[in-house]
Amino acid sequence: NAGVTQTPKFQVLKTGQSMTLQCAQDMNHEYMSWYRQDPGMGLRLIHYSVGAGITDQGEVPNGYNVSRSTTEDFPLRLLSAAPSQTSVYFCASSEGMNTEAFFGQGTRLTVV
Amino acid sequence: QQQVKQSPQSLIVQKGGIPIINCAYENTAFDYFPWYQQFPGKGPALLIAIRPDVSEKKEGRFTISFNKSAKQFSLHIMDSQPGDSATYFCAASYYGGSQGNLIFGKGTKLSVKP
Repeated sequence: NAGVTQTPKFQVLKTGQSMTLQCAQDMNHEYMSWYRQDPGMGLRLIHYSVGAGITDQGEVPNGYNVSRSTTEDFPLRLLSAAPSQTSVYFCASSEGMNTEAFFGQGTRLTVV
Repeated sequence: QQQVKQSPQSLIVQKGGIPIINCAYENTAFDYFPWYQQFPGKGPALLIAIRPDVSEKKEGRFTISFNKSAKQFSLHIMDSQPGDSATYFCAASYYGGSQGNLIFGKGTKLSVKP
């Protein structure tokens, strides 16, 4: 059972470049979310989805887009990378809100 | 912005000691309070969670104490081991809307010395 799989694990981007962080889960969870983790800041919610075709913004959505065309996949797109988006990004899934969230291994992104 | 405030930022204890990490919240609608453990280079993983109908929950060496009136909850690690060295995050959520997602504290880096 793979759980939540994120790719890539590491990425370096130049300012202004775009890219997509991939997230896939094999637990048939309806709820998926993206967090970013910065030193001393904990994990902050970027976007989340309560099911295929439904997404909404979290605490820090600016500069990111998401879509949810299938239950399994929840990609995060950086439209025009900025140094402020240097962070570790975690994807999570859960059976529902207010239940255990399962996290991926993270993507460490550096924007230069 | 609803917050979960976590303290201390870092903690060093000797093997066998009992580290205690505290969290306070503001929103009385929160009804799910998990603790996550994160090792370097890994994603957070659920350690233990409590709902406000109980004041204490134990799982192995880990205990959550919950004080609803004070809006506080804490994690105790009994007989701590070097393998417990990790970053611990408290979180809170309640069902409905975006707040059904977890709101995390800023984390506590625990170091258990041999």
